[in-house]
Amino acid sequence: GQSLEQPSEVTAVEGAIVQINCTYQTSGFYGLSWYQQHDGGAPTFLSYNALDGLEETGRFSSFLSRSDSYGYLLLQELQMKDSASYFCAVRTAGNKLTFGGGTRVLVKP
Amino acid sequence: KAGVTQTPRYLIKTRGQQVTLSCSPISGHRSVSWYQQTPGQGLQFLFEYFSETQRNKGNFPGRFSGRQFSNSRSEMNVSTLELGDSALYLCASSLAPGDRRGEAFFGQGTRLTVV
Repeated sequence: GQSLEQPSEVTAVEGAIVQINCTYQTSGFYGLSWYQQHDGGAPTFLSYNALDGLEETGRFSSFLSRSDSYGYLLLQELQMKDSASYFCAVRTAGNKLTFGGGTRVLVKP
Repeated sequence: KAGVTQTPRYLIKTRGQQVTLSCSPISGHRSVSWYQQTPGQGLQFLFEYFSETQRNKGNFPGRFSGRQFSNSRSEMNVSTLELGDSALYLCASSLAPGDRRGEAFFGQGTRLTVV
């Protein structure tokens, strides 16, 4: 089966940098995805890493090390609107996503 | 372009009843996946359909079933509802299985309450 571990909660101030780590155990690994979900909203795709290395999309970056079964999401220049839950998800067969428990990020003024 | 549309948005059902939820994927997307989200269990994969065929199935009882139509629209059905089936049911659409960009687009979900 698959399992993913990520911290349950992170608190930071506006303008700060937050790193959310994700470790996984899985078979048939295709890649690691990250999703953002605001309260009452749908998960929104942020990034996907299929190969080792860093992917940068604006203020958000994601990193993957397949040999370490580890990835992280980096949120830079935090804004109040970044307060949300962030999920890592392993993509296996087809489009099956197995999600971590989610990290709640609280941004304070 | 229009996003993923799920109907209905909210539903209240009684134990023992059955329910059918609908999902219309983004135009051109042929892969549809379903997920259950609860506070206790998080986001859990139910099943994935592509070209009207179920390609993957999660670890849920047989009361949970689904299908996909030729226009890629999908439905999921839950029979003999239990209180524990109360959850947000999310549908996600993708271009195709194994799409290299790895993007899945989620609908707003159907909030099912079983009483």
